[in-house]
Amino acid sequence: GAVVSQHPSWVICKSGTSVKIECRSLDFQATTMFWYRQFPKQSLMLMATSNEGSKATYEQGVEKDKFLINHASLTLSTLTVTSAHPEDSSFYICSARDPGVLSDTQYFGPGTRLTVL
Amino acid sequence: LAKTTQPISMDSYEGQEVNITCSHNNIATNDYITWYQQFPSQGPRFIIQGYKTKVTNEVASLFIPADRKSSTLSLPRVSLSDTAVYYCLVGPGLIGGNTPLVFGKGTRLSVIA
Repeated sequence: GAVVSQHPSWVICKSGTSVKIECRSLDFQATTMFWYRQFPKQSLMLMATSNEGSKATYEQGVEKDKFLINHASLTLSTLTVTSAHPEDSSFYICSARDPGVLSDTQYFGPGTRLTVL
Repeated sequence: LAKTTQPISMDSYEGQEVNITCSHNNIATNDYITWYQQFPSQGPRFIIQGYKTKVTNEVASLFIPADRKSSTLSLPRVSLSDTAVYYCLVGPGLIGGNTPLVFGKGTRLSVIA
């Protein structure tokens, strides 16, 4: 099946710094990518929908100026957490849509663990 | 998207069959039912998807009654490696597509030796 990668798999940063997380579709072109956040023992919460070449659509309550999303190519979307604070520590997961000929499927990345000190 | 209700947690011994039921009373005509599995610190993994009656693959079976207001994921002969959180999702079209997947609380399955 299709593969979605994320980099880095984990990152530790100081409060106030910015962190960039990459999401790549390795063997297909993803017209749409989604970003989720998951706190310990909780479910995935959708943060934003990212379409290649256009601005991301953010869910209610998600600060677009804090969580910058760029989907500059059909295989790469990035999430930048600006001025990170300890409450931003979470597990960030992306998914990518493969609008294939036979099926229209979303594939999830392995996630990125962000710890803000 | 239709709201789903699942048990918060379940325990099972190795080798037993596990059935996890999901309620989705407001399922729409064009909605599909999809189940994902998530291990700690990993992204969700697709298990199975169905629209009605029964679907079976190499991993699980999905039973959907005629009214489609509920569904049951059946895992045959579970092993310790099946310990994970299982999510039931209901939404239009096939697996995800252009619609973001909305995850409920899921069911935490613990398999005991």
